[in-house]
Amino acid sequence: GQQVMQIPQYQHVQEGEDFTTYCNSSTTLSNIQWYKQRPGGHPVFLIQLVKSGEVKKQKRLTFQFGEAKKNSSLHITATQTTDVGTYFCAVLNAGGTSYGKLTFGQGTILTVHP
Amino acid sequence: EAGVAQSPRYKIIEKRQSVAFWCNPISGHATLYWYQQILGQGPKLLIQFQNNGVVDDSQLPKDRFSAERLKGVDSTLKIQPAKLEDSAVYLCASSPSGAIPGTQYFGPGTRLLVL
Repeated sequence: GQQVMQIPQYQHVQEGEDFTTYCNSSTTLSNIQWYKQRPGGHPVFLIQLVKSGEVKKQKRLTFQFGEAKKNSSLHITATQTTDVGTYFCAVLNAGGTSYGKLTFGQGTILTVHP
Repeated sequence: EAGVAQSPRYKIIEKRQSVAFWCNPISGHATLYWYQQILGQGPKLLIQFQNNGVVDDSQLPKDRFSAERLKGVDSTLKIQPAKLEDSAVYLCASSPSGAIPGTQYFGPGTRLLVL
């Protein structure tokens, strides 16, 4: 299956600062999904990217898919305490015997100091 | 629309004991997944069902783990006997069927502690 590496593992920011997490693969990805998991909670789907160079925005969140479809990033502008949690990238298997299988990165744990 | 339901929410057992988890997916979702999430890691797929058939169980430790979805709706995951390293959150997720894999909706999870 397609593997993804996520960096950084941890990020501590002051409220109002920006935050970025990166997801990288050695192979071309068919898609990338992003999830947020609050402390003690479960992963919640944020977005899916499928096109080369795709950029999508959700309020203060900006998601990018690299031109080569080997990397992706999630950027949060002006973090708030409500942004605290772990952000995961995941690759959805869109074919073959593992159709529909999600492979998650290790996640980036974001803490925001008020 | 009701979300994915799981029970119990928490379970503490001793090693070598048995435990079972239950999941009821979103109504109409044909695909059901069980994930294991060890503390500090991303979820890892254990088994995937399409209706009542197994699509992928390649990462399920079959010597101790079993899962079923007999009527193609709710599902149970069992561990027998449990080991210390099975301590984790067990997440159930479901997605609607279609030509393109849909978004997966996760339940609240069952937090298992094996002592």
